[in-house]
Amino acid sequence: QSALAQPTSVSGSPGQSITISCTGTSRDIGNYNYVSWYQQHPGKAPKLMIYDVSNRPSGVSDRFSGSKSGNTASLTISGLQAEDEAEYYCGSYRSSNTLLVFGGGTKLTVL
Amino acid sequence: QLQLRESGPGLVKPSETLSLTCSVSGDSISSSSHQWGWIRQSPGKGLEWIGTIYYSGSTYSNPSLESRVTISAEKSKNQLSLRLSSVTAADTAVYYCARQLLFRGVAGDNWGQGTLVTVSS
Repeated sequence: QSALAQPTSVSGSPGQSITISCTGTSRDIGNYNYVSWYQQHPGKAPKLMIYDVSNRPSGVSDRFSGSKSGNTASLTISGLQAEDEAEYYCGSYRSSNTLLVFGGGTKLTVL
Repeated sequence: QLQLRESGPGLVKPSETLSLTCSVSGDSISSSSHQWGWIRQSPGKGLEWIGTIYYSGSTYSNPSLESRVTISAEKSKNQLSLRLSSVTAADTAVYYCARQLLFRGVAGDNWGQGTLVTVSS
């Protein structure tokens, strides 16, 4: 069981928007703005898409956005494209001996 | 352009020690701006933080693996290394090295391509 809870799968049609949730606790998401999101295509390494809850690294499309409310962080992808089909993982700093925790991943299918 | 490349045996016998090296180009592992570490992903599963090393040589490891993990850095070669002892089949995974911001929850802003390590006799 993963430290952060994500839905197993989400889907959407091209052009639509989808949101992936990531629920943690007060030891991580709830008290720290240190949430990150990763995109992983099959057979490839993860790619950082969002850090510090809502910041995008250089080169990441502005169709990707992040937010947080309480113990839950969210990744929103607008204007869905076929290339967005991938696995998405959330990660967070945690104030415990396990400093870095992840969600179990969400499979995004573009219909 | 930052590049990381993992290398090491793809097959390790149970109870032996897994050893991997990550060669870094385009940045210095001696820099204080980031940390460097290891993440693994078991087949069909999610991501797991293994551990991280600071430019000072200080290390942090996942408590679930801490007793078996050693992370070190060879600054002259700009390489970091991972040793995982007493491996079992549960340690079969793709191992990634990455440039990290550990205390900001960034497992990797740049990743290696990953290397599959299978534990089997």
